[in-house]
Amino acid sequence: EDQVTQSPEALRLQEGESSSLNCSYTVSGLRGLFWYRQDPGKGPEFLFTLYSAGEEKEKERLKATLTKKESFLHITAPKPEDSATYLCAVSRNTDKLIFGTGTRLQVFP
Amino acid sequence: EAQVTQNPRYLITVTGKKLTVTCSQNMNHEYMSWYRQDPGLGLRQIYYSMNVEVTDKGDVPEGYKVSRKEKRNFPLILESPSPNQTSLYFCASSFFGRNEKLFFGSGTQLSVL
Repeated sequence: EDQVTQSPEALRLQEGESSSLNCSYTVSGLRGLFWYRQDPGKGPEFLFTLYSAGEEKEKERLKATLTKKESFLHITAPKPEDSATYLCAVSRNTDKLIFGTGTRLQVFP
Repeated sequence: EAQVTQNPRYLITVTGKKLTVTCSQNMNHEYMSWYRQDPGLGLRQIYYSMNVEVTDKGDVPEGYKVSRKEKRNFPLILESPSPNQTSLYFCASSFFGRNEKLFFGSGTQLSVL
């Protein structure tokens, strides 16, 4: 069965303390892996799309990487404004999109 | 400003009373979709539309209806809401499909008593 699992469920960091969020997936025929950021009371906001193993993308303090089984969202020297829930989603050859349940990140000053 | 607009933001209703949640996008997107978000279950797709007059079921379509008469609008209709439809609903759109970058609305928190 196709599945997307994100870990940890919640992560508390001190400002400046770098860490990584994990998204592992078991889908056949991966077409793309997406990362979204969701702030409380708002809709998800697109961050990255990754299409093939070995691909990396960066945006400010965030860097997303992809292997054949998982993706990591690395957060370097996070700031309180990086606090949010980060969602991972994968699309298959059949064009179905599957979301994970997210990692809730809190960054304290 | 490019955006997806949902209304209402909050809605409390009773079992069986028909309701409509509106969704409108101003980006001329072909693809629109409805999701519900429940704790521990993630975002699940209800219905989607690839273009005007073209709609299809997602993963959890039971109890919902949609229509796409105009490119910009994609309302979600609950003909006879039940308590298990209490959830946070999001409308989303993209240029061509769900493998593209999705733009989400701000959400509608629905409570069915």
